[in-house]
Amino acid sequence: DQQVKQNSPSLSVQEGRISILNCDYTNSMFDYFLWYKKYPAEGPTFLISISSIKDKNEDGRFTVFLNKSAKHLSLHIVPSQPGDSAVYFCAASADGAGSYQLTFGKGTKLSVIP
Amino acid sequence: DSGVTQTPKHLITATGQRVTLRCSPRSGDLSVYWYQQSLDQGLQFLIHYYNGEERAKGNILERFSAQQFPDLHSELNLSSLELGDSALYFCASSVTGGGNTIYFGEGSWLTVV
Repeated sequence: DQQVKQNSPSLSVQEGRISILNCDYTNSMFDYFLWYKKYPAEGPTFLISISSIKDKNEDGRFTVFLNKSAKHLSLHIVPSQPGDSAVYFCAASADGAGSYQLTFGKGTKLSVIP
Repeated sequence: DSGVTQTPKHLITATGQRVTLRCSPRSGDLSVYWYQQSLDQGLQFLIHYYNGEERAKGNILERFSAQQFPDLHSELNLSSLELGDSALYFCASSVTGGGNTIYFGEGSWLTVV
């Protein structure tokens, strides 16, 4: 039972354009959402997060949108740069008896073409 | 550099053997999480320790165990290793028990032959 789904395994975008990565979740108890970026043979690097009480959070070129009714979130990268090429993981957490372990999607590989 | 340190970075061992992976959390972080990443399963939560106590267990096999020591570093012990245990094992840490960002180490790549 996959509670966090990233339905697009890969995405190619031209440099300078917008990259939109999507994520759907099924567990209505999730109250905190994060995006991580991962290069091969490295650990996931935190990018941006959003609490369920918000619908948008922005940090520089990165914006995360949350649609709770649709159980959907998206990450927008504007403008996309070649250095953004990596695997992006969506993650979600819910308070489970004092433990906020993350549930991850399977990732979307973003390729930004110069 | 996330501040989370994992050793060893790479490890090759035979089936049936036992290995220990070590993690030092970021300075000041009380929580340590262990995750496993295999090719077809993505990042799977294994176990969470907070200030020395086990807080939650995920998809951790009985052959695996972990602990967090008084100095807050953590060890993940994998025993009776099987070929299918080959994976990247990540440690992550956070300040509290949750509701905030978790920072990951570089991972320990385990190959069982």
